[in-house]
Amino acid sequence: GQNIDQPTEMTATEGAIVQINCTYQTSGFNGLFWYQQHAGEAPTFLSYNVLDGLEEKGRFSSFLSRSKGYSYLLLKELQMKDSASYLCAVTDSNYQLIWGAGTKLIIKP
Amino acid sequence: GAVVSQHPSWVICKSGTSVKIECRSLDFQATTMFWYRQFPKQSLMLMATSNEGSKATYEQGVEKDKFLINHASLTLSTLTVTSAHPEDSSFYICSAKLGTGDYNEQFFGPGTRLTVL
Repeated sequence: GQNIDQPTEMTATEGAIVQINCTYQTSGFNGLFWYQQHAGEAPTFLSYNVLDGLEEKGRFSSFLSRSKGYSYLLLKELQMKDSASYLCAVTDSNYQLIWGAGTKLIIKP
Repeated sequence: GAVVSQHPSWVICKSGTSVKIECRSLDFQATTMFWYRQFPKQSLMLMATSNEGSKATYEQGVEKDKFLINHASLTLSTLTVTSAHPEDSSFYICSAKLGTGDYNEQFFGPGTRLTVL
């Protein structure tokens, strides 16, 4: 079966750095997305990785290792507004999006 | 960027009634739109894939006669929850795929919160 694993919840301190991991087992791979979702709102796009390596975009970076079936989202200089759920989603061989359950990130002052 | 709207943003209805939710891509044409349902503290659950001009493809366990999907144009898809019951209360979110290529970034609407009394 297809499976995406993320930690359920993480806590970090304002101004710090946090890494949210995502591992996947899917039938084929055609890219991995990270989305941010605030409570009661729809997800918003953060990043897309299809090749191995690190993609940096401001305070957020996303890393992919296809051989390991592994990705992480790195958030730097954490702000209170970063408190949200972070969803990892993988596109399989049929170009269907497989969603992880999301990681709830709690930022403390 | 690509913008997707949903209407209404929230709705309260009586049990047994039907509710229609609209999803529009405002500044692009979307051949494919997706409908998701999300219960509190749970991740998105894909309900169906809607392709313009053809029948929707429903995920396993989703009743196609209860959740009617129409995608009559490249900018509009509708989801009708027929004979709604309290267990249908949820956050319904649509998304639209930009373009027809394999890179399938989805742009999400703001969601519709449905409460069935």
